[in-house]
Amino acid sequence: QKEVEQNSGPLSVPEGAIASLNCTYSDRGSQSFFWYRQYSGKSPELIMSIYSNGDKEDGRFTAQLNKASQYVSLLIRDSQPSDSATYLCAVIEINFGNEKLTFGTGTRLTIIP
Amino acid sequence: EPEVTQTPSHQVTQMGQEVILRCVPISNHLYFYWYRQILGQKVEFLVSFYNNEISEKSEIFDDQFSVERPDGSNFTLKIRSTKLEDSAMYFCASSGWGDNSPLHFGNGTRLTVT
Repeated sequence: QKEVEQNSGPLSVPEGAIASLNCTYSDRGSQSFFWYRQYSGKSPELIMSIYSNGDKEDGRFTAQLNKASQYVSLLIRDSQPSDSATYLCAVIEINFGNEKLTFGTGTRLTIIP
Repeated sequence: EPEVTQTPSHQVTQMGQEVILRCVPISNHLYFYWYRQILGQKVEFLVSFYNNEISEKSEIFDDQFSVERPDGSNFTLKIRSTKLEDSAMYFCASSGWGDNSPLHFGNGTRLTVT
């Protein structure tokens, strides 16, 4: 069974610091990797996607992928209180465009003002 | 920006009753999905739908569940005889054509079975 593992937290980070979130996955066939942010009672919101090894930056967010180690991470620079949420790691094994996401349990992040 | 819309936002039903959850995916999307999230647990895949048929379903999606695209815009999830353990947030999602087309989620329907 395909598994996506995350530390459930909570992870507390001071405002302005870097938050580092980690995720490992079990299926070597996984090809696409996503980070979603989920506020309590709300739907997942896509914040980053990464498909090849290395780093991908988008504003204050950087996703890092290492397929050999089956590891994907998310760095949030200059953390803001509005970044407080649960961050979900999700992976896909592409099947002709049918994108079934497998989610981790999420890491709850709290930014301390 | 186009979005996936779901109705109702909250549905309360008695055990054994049928419920229909409704979704309007983004208009030019081709793939449609239902996911659910039991309170405090992970988001779980239920079913994917393409070209008017189910393309994949999970173990959760048993004979009590069905999906339909009754017209060109709506996508529905029906639970025939609800159980207490069906209480969860149900998210509809859609995606476009091609690899790496990200999923867009609706705001969800909170289903409470009493």
